[in-house]
Amino acid sequence: EVHLLESGGGLVQPGGSLRLSCAASGFTFSNYAMSWVRQAPGKGLEWVSAVNGDSGGGSIYYADSVKGRFTISRDNSKNTLFLQMNSLRAEDTAIFYCAKSMTGGGAGYFDSWGQGILVTVSS
Amino acid sequence: DIQMTQSPSTLSASVGDRVTITCRASQRISSWLAWYQQKPGKAPKLLIYKASSLESGVPSRFSGSQSGTEFTLTISSLQPDDFGTYYCQQYNSYWTFGQGTKVEIK
Repeated sequence: EVHLLESGGGLVQPGGSLRLSCAASGFTFSNYAMSWVRQAPGKGLEWVSAVNGDSGGGSIYYADSVKGRFTISRDNSKNTLFLQMNSLRAEDTAIFYCAKSMTGGGAGYFDSWGQGILVTVSS
Repeated sequence: DIQMTQSPSTLSASVGDRVTITCRASQRISSWLAWYQQKPGKAPKLLIYKASSLESGVPSRFSGSQSGTEFTLTISSLQPDDFGTYYCQQYNSYWTFGQGTKVEIK
């Protein structure tokens, strides 16, 4: 059974940094693309960033809203996905989900999701 | 960027009703569309992929269809457990979600 568990969230001041982690189990992590999706309080879902699996060459993609501030990475030896978030703004306040793609590269739907982790940006 | 316009934003229906949610893409996305259900405080759950393919374990009362760039999620007979918010998602070019449809049980 696929299991995704996010960690690293919390309260941070505007302009600060935070690093999210997503521990994966139940599947061959390196074979699949992974994404981060966020949801601001009371709002809809917004895709944030994606990284391909080995078959997709590990290519990386970002939403315009986070480009230049967020960095996605993965450690296939530890079955873990990361999101380094810098220059955080109040509008980055959201629940962040990691999501597994059904494919190793290219666009694909998300067949498994973590429980989500709350990031609050406030002074 | 591909925009997804979902309607209605909310709907209230009775148990047993047939419910339809629509999602329109701003450009052609072939059949690269998924539907998710999200309950309060929970992660989204995949229902439908490739416009009309039912995810394993999802009740057969859920179905998806397509006409050009317009996509439809239908619940043939609404059940009490079907409350929540439903999102469409295109995955033809990057990923974009619709605004969501909140389904309430009368």
